[in-house]
Amino acid sequence: NAGVTQTPKFRVLKTGQSMTLLCAQDMNHEYMYWYRQDPGMGLRLIHYSVGEGTTAKGEVPDGYNVSRLKKQNFLLGLESAAPSQTSVYFCASSYLDHQFYEQYFGPGTRLTVT
Amino acid sequence: GQQVMQIPQYQHVQEGEDFTTYCNSSTTLSNIQWYKQRPGGHPVFLIQLVKSGEVKKQKRLTFQFGEAKKNSSLHITATQTTDVGTYFCEGYSGGGADGLTFGKGTHLIIQP
Repeated sequence: NAGVTQTPKFRVLKTGQSMTLLCAQDMNHEYMYWYRQDPGMGLRLIHYSVGEGTTAKGEVPDGYNVSRLKKQNFLLGLESAAPSQTSVYFCASSYLDHQFYEQYFGPGTRLTVT
Repeated sequence: GQQVMQIPQYQHVQEGEDFTTYCNSSTTLSNIQWYKQRPGGHPVFLIQLVKSGEVKKQKRLTFQFGEAKKNSSLHITATQTTDVGTYFCEGYSGGGADGLTFGKGTHLIIQP
């Protein structure tokens, strides 16, 4: 099993450009999440999904959109990138469990917006 | 909203010394998870604590959940260079994924 994979691993964008980050998991998890990690800020939840076709906003959703068309994939889109979106983005997935057990994280995407 | 404070932000220790990081929640938690992130890596799940006063051990790591379920700690005995990284707690207060909050992490730096 590959677990959680993310593409691309690195990306440099210019202000105003758009891009999509892809997350894929092969563990049949219901829940999927997108986080961003900035120095000194820990992990902040951008958007999450509790199942195919559903998405919800997290703590810092502005400037991002997501889609979950297939259970195994969760896409994060930046329509018009800004320097403030320079960060490391992690995708995670977990089972549908009322106690929110273990989250499995992908390797991350390092995004720089100039 | 719920806040999870984690201290200290950084901790320098000599190899062989002990290390402790603390998490404090503004609200009562249903459970708390601990993760480790190696430099340049991604967070990896260590353990979950659910019961009031719970103590769990993994080799040199000891995890505690407070009686009031509002605080938790991770203690490492006799640190080794392999312990280097950032340790995060994640509190869950119920109500779905909105009830999940990560602490900002404690960076453990070990001097040989």
